[in-house]
Amino acid sequence: SQTIHQWPATLVQPVGSPLSLECTVEGTSNPNLYWYRQAAGRGLQLLFYSVGIGQISSEVPQNLSASRPQDRQFILSSKKLLLSDSGFYLCAWSVPEEGYYEQYFGPGTRLTVT
Amino acid sequence: RKEVEQDPGPFNVPEGATVAFNCTYSNSASQSFFWYRQDCRKEPKLLMSVYSSGNEDGRFTAQLNRASQYISLLIRDSKLSDSATYLCVVLGGVVDNAGNMLTFGGGTRLMVKP
Repeated sequence: SQTIHQWPATLVQPVGSPLSLECTVEGTSNPNLYWYRQAAGRGLQLLFYSVGIGQISSEVPQNLSASRPQDRQFILSSKKLLLSDSGFYLCAWSVPEEGYYEQYFGPGTRLTVT
Repeated sequence: RKEVEQDPGPFNVPEGATVAFNCTYSNSASQSFFWYRQDCRKEPKLLMSVYSSGNEDGRFTAQLNRASQYISLLIRDSKLSDSATYLCVVLGGVVDNAGNMLTFGGGTRLMVKP
């Protein structure tokens, strides 16, 4: 069965510091991978998605970036965090073959920028 | 108009009650729909997929009305453990190798009381 891991679970970082969040998926090959952010009391916002190694699409312009160095690894980064980057960061995977488009989420990273 | 709209609630219901949530979507080309459940400070988890007119899984029934562009979720015989936020999710009308794009509603909060 497929599993998805995210770390760290929680993170407190000062404004201006760098960020690196990691997501890995097990039990599937060539998944689509996604990064979402959920601000407190708000809905999910898609930040980036990737359909393959090295292929990144950005949905929202911001000071964040994403990379996919391996098939089942997705990394979210920032060179300098802003207060507005605080939120719950969720990684998700899907394998949209045969017309099934469900996405499955990792446990998330709760980021507080101080 | 938001792409996916939900009544944020909260819906406060007694144990054993039947409760229904509605969700409206703006993209008439949308083909697939999902309900996710999100517990407080946790990741969303897939509850049900709707690829045709509806779906039923135990106490949960989802119905799709394409003409009026809304999806409903009915929960029968509510349990205390059903207390959560329910997210209505719509697959975008354009699906290609760029990834399957899901649009999330803001969620409806359900509180089941003893």
